[in-house]
Amino acid sequence: DVVMTQSPLSLPVTLGQPASISCRSSQSLVYSDGNTYLNWFQQRPGQSPRRLIYKVSNRDSGVPDRFSGSGSATDFTLKISRVEAEDVGVYYCMQGTHWPPTFGQGTKVEIK
Amino acid sequence: QVQLVQSGAEVKKPGASVNVSCKASGYTFTAYYIHWVRQAPGQGLEWMGWINPNRGGTRYAQKFQGRVTMTRDTSISTAYMELRNLNSDDSAVYFCASLDSTTNHDCWGQGTLVTVSS
Repeated sequence: DVVMTQSPLSLPVTLGQPASISCRSSQSLVYSDGNTYLNWFQQRPGQSPRRLIYKVSNRDSGVPDRFSGSGSATDFTLKISRVEAEDVGVYYCMQGTHWPPTFGQGTKVEIK
Repeated sequence: QVQLVQSGAEVKKPGASVNVSCKASGYTFTAYYIHWVRQAPGQGLEWMGWINPNRGGTRYAQKFQGRVTMTRDTSISTAYMELRNLNSDDSAVYFCASLDSTTNHDCWGQGTLVTVSS
């Protein structure tokens, strides 16, 4: 299985400041159709996950534009331009290129 | 609005089976795969498998092969996940999710807590 490695696993941030989460895959996530199926999910405390980003950099409906995704092949990044209180939670990357889909360990974002 | 509503919490004994349902509304049920993901207490997300509600085709993670069955009833827009031969490691919250890899379709159920205890 493809191993997804996130860093850091814990990210204390100051309100209004930027934050960045890294996700590395053990294999290239470029699929034979040319797409890269790398997703980012947010799970707020006590809630179900929701997807923020699909195919590396496409924001899902209703996702604030302070969230952005970037990267290629095996290295990916989720950035929050200015952290707000509602951004507290755990963030997961997930690859859908190789069978089976696999998640990173999660990065817990908290306010300093 | 687009939503998935799951069945309620379950308590099962080791060796038993559990069946979790996931009812879709607000979109065309057969248009998007239903995925099942579980989360053990305090742990991360684990993908279990998917079902294509249109044709009924399924694919399961190898870890669950032989123990899980995913089905659907298109007449009531509901997907089901049955997990058999439960053990304590299966205690987790089970989520269904309607996800599309190439569009912004993303919807999750509220989760179903399954507790396995003697």
